[in-house]
Amino acid sequence: AQSVTQLGSHVSVSEGALVLLRCNYSSSVPPYLFWYVQYPNQGLQLLLKYTTGATLVKGINGFEAEFKKSETSFHLTKPSAHMSDAAEYFCAVSGNQGGKLIFGQGTELSVKP
Amino acid sequence: AAGVIQSPRHLIKEKRETATLKCYPISRHDTVYWYQQGPGQDPQFLISFYEKMQSDKGSIPDRFSAQQFSDYHSELNMSSLELGDSALYFCASSPGPRDGNQETQYFGPGTRLLVL
Repeated sequence: AQSVTQLGSHVSVSEGALVLLRCNYSSSVPPYLFWYVQYPNQGLQLLLKYTTGATLVKGINGFEAEFKKSETSFHLTKPSAHMSDAAEYFCAVSGNQGGKLIFGQGTELSVKP
Repeated sequence: AAGVIQSPRHLIKEKRETATLKCYPISRHDTVYWYQQGPGQDPQFLISFYEKMQSDKGSIPDRFSAQQFSDYHSELNMSSLELGDSALYFCASSPGPRDGNQETQYFGPGTRLLVL
């Protein structure tokens, strides 16, 4: 079975500050891990994914995430927040053959001027 | 390239009515997934299809059914609608194993269903 836990349903940062959104997973098979962003009243957009290989993954809009197997974590970071980063962020896991995504509860990111 | 298309974008129905949601995957994608996202909730997997065959099933009520057609578009049929069915319904598509990148799902904009 697989599951995802996102620590913190709401995160607020100042513009220009570091963004850190936490994600821990549980999986009985080697996982594929994803971060999606959802803007209000819109669909889910893929930010980045980890499948195999390099554990530090770079995505769009300056985001990156590091897969840490020993900590079962896949935290999302961005060095400097921008107002346009305000959105809901979902971490998700699937098996290593793809297939259905299991999502975390989501983290709403607010960016203060 | 065009993304995943879902129609309608908004739908209002009465209790006990039926609804049909449509999904048109990205060209050359042969796998379709359906998810349900309740208000303030994370998306929950409903059902998926690969090459027109059901490939996996999640928490889809018996009142719902779905299929994938020969042109790879998919339809989610919902009957005896209940107030609790009000949600955002997403469709996602992914390439098949032959094309690689099969693990990446591309989401449509969703259909917002309101049951009154």
